Amino acid sequence: QLQLQESGSGLVKPSQTLSLTCAVSGGSISSGGYSWSWIRQPPGKGLEWIGYIYHSGSTYYNPSLKSRVTISVDRSKNQFSLKLSSVTAADTAVYYCAREYYYGSGSYYSYFDYWGQGTLVTVSS
Amino acid sequence: DIQMTQSPSSLSASVGDRVTITCRASQSISSYLNWYQQKPGKAPKLLIYAASSLQSGVPSRFSGSGSGTDFTLTISSLQPEDFATYYCQQSYSTASITFGQGTRLEIK
Repeated sequence: QLQLQESGSGLVKPSQTLSLTCAVSGGSISSGGYSWSWIRQPPGKGLEWIGYIYHSGSTYYNPSLKSRVTISVDRSKNQFSLKLSSVTAADTAVYYCAREYYYGSGSYYSYFDYWGQGTLVTVSS
Repeated sequence: DIQMTQSPSSLSASVGDRVTITCRASQSISSYLNWYQQKPGKAPKLLIYAASSLQSGVPSRFSGSGSGTDFTLTISSLQPEDFATYYCQQSYSTASITFGQGTRLEIK
């Protein structure tokens, strides 16, 4: 059974960089047919996709966050990471990591089938 | 970005009721539409993918339909454990995934 576990600082000062890691167990992060995403949820609000990294290493980011986001992978540790720079109070949220599964031929369908439990990051001085 | 709009934003219903939640996309997304259930303090859980396919292990009282811009999630007979928030998500634009704002389903 695949498991994802977020870790990182729960409190970040304004203008600093938020850093989180998602450790994957029960499967290889290098397996084809998947991408590895970060999704966040401000308190009491909805879900916002931040970006993902494919098994190949290609990345895609939410256009509204693109200038501040970096997602990377460490295959030796079977984990991927998120860095979000120049944070403000608006970045306070529960941050989830998730696996996106792709299937089909030609046109690919996808969905998020495994999620971490989420970690709350608060931006405050 | 493709905007996803859910209606209603909140809904009160009773155990045994039939409930329908609607999701509308700002442009055609074919059937690239997924539904998730989220309970307080928990991560979202996949219910329906590709608009109408039931995820393994999800009760058959959940069903999805639609294509193009208009989609529905139906719960045929509400159970106590179904009271939660539901989100739709489009996977048509893989470079910019978007979710609906959520529908909170409460006990009447």
